[in-house]
Amino acid sequence: RKEVEQDPGPFNVPEGATVAFNCTYSNSASQSFFWYRQDCRKEPKLLMSVYSSGNEDGRFTAQLNRASQYISLLIRDSKLSDSATYLCVVVHMDTGRRALTFGSGTRLQVQP
Amino acid sequence: EPEVTQTPSHQVTQMGQEVILRCVPISNHLYFYWYRQILGQKVEFLVSFYNNEISEKSEIFDDQFSVERPDGSNFTLKIRSTKLEDSAMYFCASRPRDRGYEQYFGPGTRLTVT
Repeated sequence: RKEVEQDPGPFNVPEGATVAFNCTYSNSASQSFFWYRQDCRKEPKLLMSVYSSGNEDGRFTAQLNRASQYISLLIRDSKLSDSATYLCVVVHMDTGRRALTFGSGTRLQVQP
Repeated sequence: EPEVTQTPSHQVTQMGQEVILRCVPISNHLYFYWYRQILGQKVEFLVSFYNNEISEKSEIFDDQFSVERPDGSNFTLKIRSTKLEDSAMYFCASRPRDRGYEQYFGPGTRLTVT
């Protein structure tokens, strides 16, 4: 089973749409969670951390369900500039590793 | 806003040659990382570095790889004898001490081994 699993997409949505991505993680000892965004052939850029109570940053809302080992990202009012690959990222705590473990990403294409 | 920088942006080398990839982390960050991303695949952790020593490494980071912080600003990844399968984007990342585990990535070095 993959450590961090995401639907690869692509999600093709019109401008202004609301789109949601999901992610599941296999290691119950995972303690920190993030969404990164990656444009084609560029570096991952931190979009937002994900907190247990859920958190919002403008048009972006992230939620965490520890019982189901599930993370989500909701994007409201999609813009053309939101087109990118969205990477679900976790940090495991049980092995001592503090490095980021990445999912393969979900590709979003926002269309005019 | 401070950024992680990496040089070169693209490196082409022949199989068996040594390469050194360079990174300048954000100046007040204390933890440094190398990741790689083979084309079309996910980002994979290679190694982390703290207090002038390796703190963690993955199975990918074998004896062909080494890291160094030769001075107060640079952080390097050396591949001793490159293989075709080392062709990938190599990203350097850094994080501060007091912001959880958020990491900030450099623009990457595209390594092509021929």
